[in-house]
Amino acid sequence: GEDVEQSLFLSVREGDSSVINCTYTDSSSTYLYWYKQEPGAGLQLLTYIFSNMDMKQDQRLTVLLNKKDKHLSLRIADTQTGDSAIYFCAERMGTGGFKTIFGAGTRLFVKA
Amino acid sequence: NAGVTQTPKFQVLKTGQSMTLQCAQDMNHNSMYWYRQDPGMGLRLIYYSASEGTTDKGEVPNGYNVSRLNKREFSLRLESAAPSQTSVYFCASSEGPGDGNSPLHFGNGTRLTVT
Repeated sequence: GEDVEQSLFLSVREGDSSVINCTYTDSSSTYLYWYKQEPGAGLQLLTYIFSNMDMKQDQRLTVLLNKKDKHLSLRIADTQTGDSAIYFCAERMGTGGFKTIFGAGTRLFVKA
Repeated sequence: NAGVTQTPKFQVLKTGQSMTLQCAQDMNHNSMYWYRQDPGMGLRLIYYSASEGTTDKGEVPNGYNVSRLNKREFSLRLESAAPSQTSVYFCASSEGPGDGNSPLHFGNGTRLTVT
């Protein structure tokens, strides 16, 4: 079946790196996404990776994809209090598919 | 740019009442979606519309109906609200369909409480 799993909570100190992990089940996923949700708001696209890539870097963000293990991670360098939010991992299903499946979200708490 | 606009932002209903959640996007996107968000469960797809004139069920369609009014607007209707439908509802749109990168663009959500 289709499933995306991620841990529900992560706490880090300001200035440290945060690593949020995700596993997914559909090997035909084409794109994998990270979305950020701040309190009272909708989800905003943070970054994405195409399934034939291993790594993508975008300023403080690094996405690693291990397609063999169906494992995706998001690393935030020099984490700031403004990074406190819920982070959702999501996979776009199969070729020509319309469905995007979301994980339950990881709440990142940054301590000053 | 407004992006995806949802109305209302908040709503309280009594069990058995009906209501329609409105959604409009101004990005000329083909596909639109309704999700519900519940604590610890992530987002679950209720219905989607791959393109104007089509609608399909998602994971949790029971108790809901949708209308793709035109390319811009996609509404979600609760005919007889139940407490289990207390949730935050998000509308989203994407360029879709196809194989290309098509991330979702979300509205700010409607917080619905059914008593």
